Amino acid sequence: DAGVTQSPTHLIKTRGQQVTLRCSPKSGHDTVSWYQQALGQGPQFIFQYYEEEERQRGNFPDRFSGHQFPNYSSELNVNALLLGDSALYLCASSLLGRADNEQFFGPGTRLTVL
Amino acid sequence: DAKTTQPTSMDCAEGRAANLPCNHSTISGNEYVYWYRQIHSQGPQYIIHGLKNNETNEMASLIITEDRKSSTLILPHATLRDTAVYYCIVRVAAYNNNDMRFGAGTRLTVKP
Repeated sequence: DAGVTQSPTHLIKTRGQQVTLRCSPKSGHDTVSWYQQALGQGPQFIFQYYEEEERQRGNFPDRFSGHQFPNYSSELNVNALLLGDSALYLCASSLLGRADNEQFFGPGTRLTVL
Repeated sequence: DAKTTQPTSMDCAEGRAANLPCNHSTISGNEYVYWYRQIHSQGPQYIIHGLKNNETNEMASLIITEDRKSSTLILPHATLRDTAVYYCIVRVAAYNNNDMRFGAGTRLTVKP
């Protein structure tokens, strides 16, 4: 049973560029959440996708957008990259329907913006 | 969601119990306490969660005070592989709420 997978593992971009990160949820899960983790800090919630729609959003600008596909996989897009967007981007999947549902995290994508 | 307070770092001797405290004095009645850990360069790993009763699983035990304002994560026999950052999170128990508010966590170092 595959867990949460993310691609690519590492990515280097320059300021102003756009980036797309990908996530496949754990088998049987239907909800995907994205987090940003800056160096030395805890993960910060970006948004959650369920039934191909954004359902919840943290305090992130519109430059951060996403998509969920019918197979539940998801993409995170970041436009007009800033140096401050350099971080580990984590994807977490869960199964909607339980109030205490736990989230399973992937290994993350390390984004460096130069 | 309620905020949590954890010590910045702790040390523990290998084979001994590691007791990690967390303060969540403003927790609401519908908020669960979750514990995750993050080993260097990996994604966070779920450990345990609870509402008001003490919980135990194969990884750890969670002790929640009667007033629910604090909790303690117990790793009964710490090993070197338990060295990680441990996050205590409180989260509203709702089927569609996935907003996990991570703080800075406690860096646990298990020493031989």
